[in-house]
Amino acid sequence: GAGVSQSPSNKVTEKGKDVELRCDPISGHTALYWYRQSLGQGLEFLIYFQGNSAPDKSGLPSDRFSAERTGGSVSTLTIQRTQQEDSAVYLCASSYTSGGARNEQFFGPGTRLTVL
Amino acid sequence: QQQVKQSPQSLIVQKGGISIINCAYENTAFDYFPWYQQFPGKGPALLIAIRPDVSEKKEGRFTISFNKSAKQFSLHIMDSQPGDSATYFCAASRAGGYSSASKIIFGSGTRLSIRP
Repeated sequence: GAGVSQSPSNKVTEKGKDVELRCDPISGHTALYWYRQSLGQGLEFLIYFQGNSAPDKSGLPSDRFSAERTGGSVSTLTIQRTQQEDSAVYLCASSYTSGGARNEQFFGPGTRLTVL
Repeated sequence: QQQVKQSPQSLIVQKGGISIINCAYENTAFDYFPWYQQFPGKGPALLIAIRPDVSEKKEGRFTISFNKSAKQFSLHIMDSQPGDSATYFCAASRAGGYSSASKIIFGSGTRLSIRP
């Protein structure tokens, strides 16, 4: 079946511009997560959504970062007034959390963001 | 605060040898410890995971050893093959209840290279 998809795969933008990154989770998955992976670094948690609950935004690095999930499916991560330190690969993951399933998160291929 | 510490940063192993990657965690509330494998240009994929009620879990050539009292766990890859060359991340989370999602805290990653 289809996995997690993300678009665009690559995004080059100029410092100060806003960008939107999209994630399509696996159908039926109730939880959706965003992570950031900087060059040579591990994965840094940003935010997650679960069902209709309020999102856990504890990992967002600044108020320039925001995310929404419409209709419990597709999610958009928005970065306003991008800075060069925002350059990274942004990874989205989803998981099925009902019925006692373990917290296995399935990752998309990521969006590589480059801020010039 | 680095909640999951991983070592080494990089590792070179001869084909057929044993690859060992170590991790340590701080938060005793963690109760789910997955390992993820990531190939270049791809998102991480779950390799194997363990809960703290067991000291070892084996799946094929991959084994997790878990020491709850020391708050340490490790991944052993037996009979390492060139196809195992990838970046490996240990991680920890609170698995939550039957309908709970939980963010994953990742280690910094180990770049493994298997020499033919």
